[in-house]
Amino acid sequence: QLQLQESGPGLVKPSETLSLTCTVSGGSISSSSYNWDWIRQSPGKGLEWIGSIYYSGSTYNNPSLKSRVTISVDTSKNQFSLKLSSVTAADTAVYYCARVYQASSGWIPFDYWGQGTLVTVSS
Amino acid sequence: DIQMTQSPSTLSASVGDRVTITCRASQSISSWLAWYQQKPGKAPKLLIHKASSLESGVPSRFSGSDSGTEFTLTISGLQPDDFATYYCQQYNTYPWTFGQGTRVEIK
Repeated sequence: QLQLQESGPGLVKPSETLSLTCTVSGGSISSSSYNWDWIRQSPGKGLEWIGSIYYSGSTYNNPSLKSRVTISVDTSKNQFSLKLSSVTAADTAVYYCARVYQASSGWIPFDYWGQGTLVTVSS
Repeated sequence: DIQMTQSPSTLSASVGDRVTITCRASQSISSWLAWYQQKPGKAPKLLIHKASSLESGVPSRFSGSDSGTEFTLTISGLQPDDFATYYCQQYNTYPWTFGQGTRVEIK
């Protein structure tokens, strides 16, 4: 059974960089059939898609986050990571990692999720 | 960005009721629409993709339909486990976007 697990600091100071890692177990992150995504959820903005990465390293990020987002993959560790720079209180949210399946009939989005990790931005 | 508008925001219903939640897209998304169920403190759970395709393991009382840019999630015979918040999400165009959610509460 595929499992995803987020890890990283729960508290980040304003203007610093938020760093999270998602560890995938029970399956290979290097499969050509999947993309790996980050999503966040805050009371003020609901669910927000942050970005996506393919095992080859190709990415697509939400333009609303401008150039603050970096998503990377480490296939040797079966992990992918999120970095969000210059954080403010508005970046306080529960951050989820999730899988997207590239089926022959089209995408199947977010069929597996991590349990989520709360990141608070505060001094 | 494509805006997804759900209605109602809150819905009060009883066990056994037939419940309908609507999601409207601000532009065409074909049938690239998913529905999720979320319970407090948990990650969302995929129920339906491609507007009407039921995810494996999801009870058949859940169904989805589409008509142009209007999409509907129906729960036929609400069960106690179904009281939760439901979200729609379009995946036709990046950035993928979600509706604001519909909370289904006990009447």
